[in-house]
Amino acid sequence: NAGVMQNPRHLVRRRGQEARLRCSPMKGHSHVYWYRQLPEEGLKFMVYLQKENIIDESGMPKERFSAEFPKEGPSILRIQQVVRGDSAAYFCASSLLPGQTSNQPQHFGDGTRLSIL
Amino acid sequence: DAKTTQPPSMDCAEGRAANLPCNHSTISGNEYVYWYRQIHSQGPQYIIHGLKNNETNEMASLIITEDRKSSTLILPHATLRDTAVYYCIVRGGSDSNYQLIWGAGTKLIIKP
Repeated sequence: NAGVMQNPRHLVRRRGQEARLRCSPMKGHSHVYWYRQLPEEGLKFMVYLQKENIIDESGMPKERFSAEFPKEGPSILRIQQVVRGDSAAYFCASSLLPGQTSNQPQHFGDGTRLSIL
Repeated sequence: DAKTTQPPSMDCAEGRAANLPCNHSTISGNEYVYWYRQIHSQGPQYIIHGLKNNETNEMASLIITEDRKSSTLILPHATLRDTAVYYCIVRGGSDSNYQLIWGAGTKLIIKP
């Protein structure tokens, strides 16, 4: 009965490197959401994906950030050429039914804390 | 911007009921009220949600006023492990309702 699993829990990168954050949704869930949280702030929506489809990426920066949710395997949030401002906690959530049409809650993982040196 | 207003912090004695208020005066008819909490260094944990009727589960009760402009989350017997930031979120009513919009929440401290 595993919940949403994110790894790594902590990730340290130097400026200019790439960061890859992974998220395995709850069993049976095919809808994944990524959020970013800066210290002392609430979460900010980034992107909503279903299997093999990006539904809404309106909250994700246009450059350097990308997300995917392949048919097999976890969802990946990728940040290229990281900068100091990318330092944050990144949370993934999943839901069983489509986010647009269901009031079912999103269930969250414990996040990846990204630190840029 | 968040559509909810919550007090920034509250204290509660261990073993007593913790009552966390939330104002959502602009809520529309098809929008739900959700509550999450975030314990330090962990991800948000779903607690409860409701539309207009009061709701109860194993974690908490949710009381929504008749005009739906405010609600209260009740933790009936608070323990030290309930110390967390509690977020009240209004969701629904649009095609992008999956975008949960988070305010600053209420920092609840349970005191022994």
